[in-house]
Amino acid sequence: GIQVEQSPPDLILQEGANSTLRCNFSDSVNNLQWFHQNPWGQLINLFYIPSGTKQNGRLSATTVATERYSLLYISSSQTTDSGVYFCAVRRYGNKLVFGAGTILRVKS
Amino acid sequence: DVKVTQSSRYLVKRTGEKVFLECVQDMDHENMFWYRQDPGLGLRLIYFSYDVKMKEKGDIPEGYSVSREKKERFSLILESASTNQTSMYLCASSLDPFRGGGSYNEQFFGPGTRLTVL
Repeated sequence: GIQVEQSPPDLILQEGANSTLRCNFSDSVNNLQWFHQNPWGQLINLFYIPSGTKQNGRLSATTVATERYSLLYISSSQTTDSGVYFCAVRRYGNKLVFGAGTILRVKS
Repeated sequence: DVKVTQSSRYLVKRTGEKVFLECVQDMDHENMFWYRQDPGLGLRLIYFSYDVKMKEKGDIPEGYSVSREKKERFSLILESASTNQTSMYLCASSLDPFRGGGSYNEQFFGPGTRLTVL
């Protein structure tokens, strides 16, 4: 089946710093989503981005489908950005395959 | 906004009990999903349903069953709870009318239920 790898596994930032999270996938996909899991366990939808670039406030994402990767950019990080960031892809059917996540800690 | 709700945030049950986890979505989505999340193992799909009374096994269906009698509600059932079913359970839904690609298959998640089986 399709493999999803996220990097880095852990990231510690000072408040105000920028960061880039990466998601590599092993095959072509129909769907790619980025999620943020907050400390209470809720998965928050950040982007639905099977290709192209999207921006939402301080966050933006780019997916280069032909090269099988996606990037999530966080600018001017805040402590509330802390949590786990997941990339998930869907090749066909209904099943999303999740990466292992990036744990982000933003220090004040 | 899509809203997916789960019946409990925290649940403590005893080994051998029958456990029901309920999930309700308010956006008329065809697809609903149950995942479990465990440290080091990530999110794994237990079951999903693409229509009322329709279900398909995911990656780890053993020890679980599901019920979908109404479009908005998807229940996960642990027939006889065991300690290895202690986990975070997450429900999701998506609109996927063509069961194919396109922008309709974005999944939205509920807040999760932390189940502890003693």
